[in-house]
Amino acid sequence: TQLLEQSPQFLSIQEGENLTVYCNSSSVFSSLQWYRQEPGEGPVLLVTVVTGGEVKKLKRLTFQFGDARKDSSLHITAAQTGDTGLYLCAGVGTGAGSYQLTFGKGTKLSVIP
Amino acid sequence: DTGVSQDPRHKITKRGQNVTFRCDPISEHNRLYWYRQTLGQGPEFLTYFQNEAQLEKSRLLSDRFSAERPKGSFSTLEIQRTEQGDSAMYLCASSSHAGFPFSGNTIYFGEGSWLTVV
Repeated sequence: TQLLEQSPQFLSIQEGENLTVYCNSSSVFSSLQWYRQEPGEGPVLLVTVVTGGEVKKLKRLTFQFGDARKDSSLHITAAQTGDTGLYLCAGVGTGAGSYQLTFGKGTKLSVIP
Repeated sequence: DTGVSQDPRHKITKRGQNVTFRCDPISEHNRLYWYRQTLGQGPEFLTYFQNEAQLEKSRLLSDRFSAERPKGSFSTLEIQRTEQGDSAMYLCASSSHAGFPFSGNTIYFGEGSWLTVV
């Protein structure tokens, strides 16, 4: 069974601070996705990283895929209150499992004004 | 709105009753997924359809659960003889056929159907 561990589970920071969320696994994934979920809503895809070592930027968000494709990080620069939400990483299986996403438990981020 | 829609959004039922959720995927998407999410957890995979064929079922999907996609369009998820442990948000998602690289295939989630079993 492929597992993804996210840390920290909860994060409360002041507006303007930087933060990093980590997603780790002992399994190799063909790609890894980051989602953001608001309370009572479904997850919304932020980014997909495919190549080991890949770095993608989405405005103030920087996503990195580990060289071995087992881990990833999300870095937010100068957090804003609108960044508040649940951030989920999800690994895409390999081969016959490529249709299935394995989600971490999420990091609940609160940005305080 | 051309997103994934789910109905009902909220359902409260007594233990032992049957419930059915409906999902209407994005119209041109041939892949449809059901996930379940409990409080404090990420979504967990339940089942997957490609067109009308159910190609995979998780071990989480006990024999009380049945999912269908009869014409390859909308899907239903039925839970029979509900138990309190079934209380969760049931998420439906859809995508187009996945080619390589997977990064070209986005999965779109619906807003979920909340089930509370009392």
